[in-house]
Amino acid sequence: AQSVTQLDSQVPVFEEAPVELRCNYSSSVSVYLFWYVQYPNQGLQLLLKYLSGSTLVKGINGFEAEFNKSQTSFHLRKPSVHISDTAEYFCAVSAKAAGNKLTFGGGTRVLVKP
Amino acid sequence: DVKVTQSSRYLVKRTGEKVFLECVQDMDHENMFWYRQDPGLGLRLIYFSYDVKMKEKGDIPEGYSVSREKKERFSLILESASTNQTSMYLCASSSRTVLYEQYFGPGTRLTVT
Repeated sequence: AQSVTQLDSQVPVFEEAPVELRCNYSSSVSVYLFWYVQYPNQGLQLLLKYLSGSTLVKGINGFEAEFNKSQTSFHLRKPSVHISDTAEYFCAVSAKAAGNKLTFGGGTRVLVKP
Repeated sequence: DVKVTQSSRYLVKRTGEKVFLECVQDMDHENMFWYRQDPGLGLRLIYFSYDVKMKEKGDIPEGYSVSREKKERFSLILESASTNQTSMYLCASSSRTVLYEQYFGPGTRLTVT
């Protein structure tokens, strides 16, 4: 079984400042990793994914994440946030042998202040 | 664009009622999922289906059942709603060829009083 921990439940940040959202996972097998975003009153949409290859993954809206196997982490970063980045962000993991099943973290709510 | 729609955005039901939540996807996806979303707990998988009439339990199936009679439609059923089932319910779908990319509907916020 796998599990995901998002270390911050809320992150306030000023507009144009950088932001990092932390995600750690545990799994006894190789995994795929994902970040999803949920804007207010909407469903989730995929920001980026790590399946294999380069450990630095670039996603939509200027976000990127780095897979660190030794630290079992997949932190999400953006160098300069906008008001429109206010949303809840979810880290998710899928064991390669587990088919389509995703395990989600508890979410991090990002509030971008002007 | 993949579109996943859910029958209601908001629903209020009484304890003991039978509740149906409907989900429809228009991309001919084989896999469909039902999650519930609660603050601080993220999303937890209730049931999923990888083909018509096929279903598998997720992590929290107790108190729920599902039905998939057609490929595009996946229903979540609360046989006898209870107050601890008050939550946001999210439906998702994915294809067999792009296994890990799930597309989500907007959610149904269910309140059981």
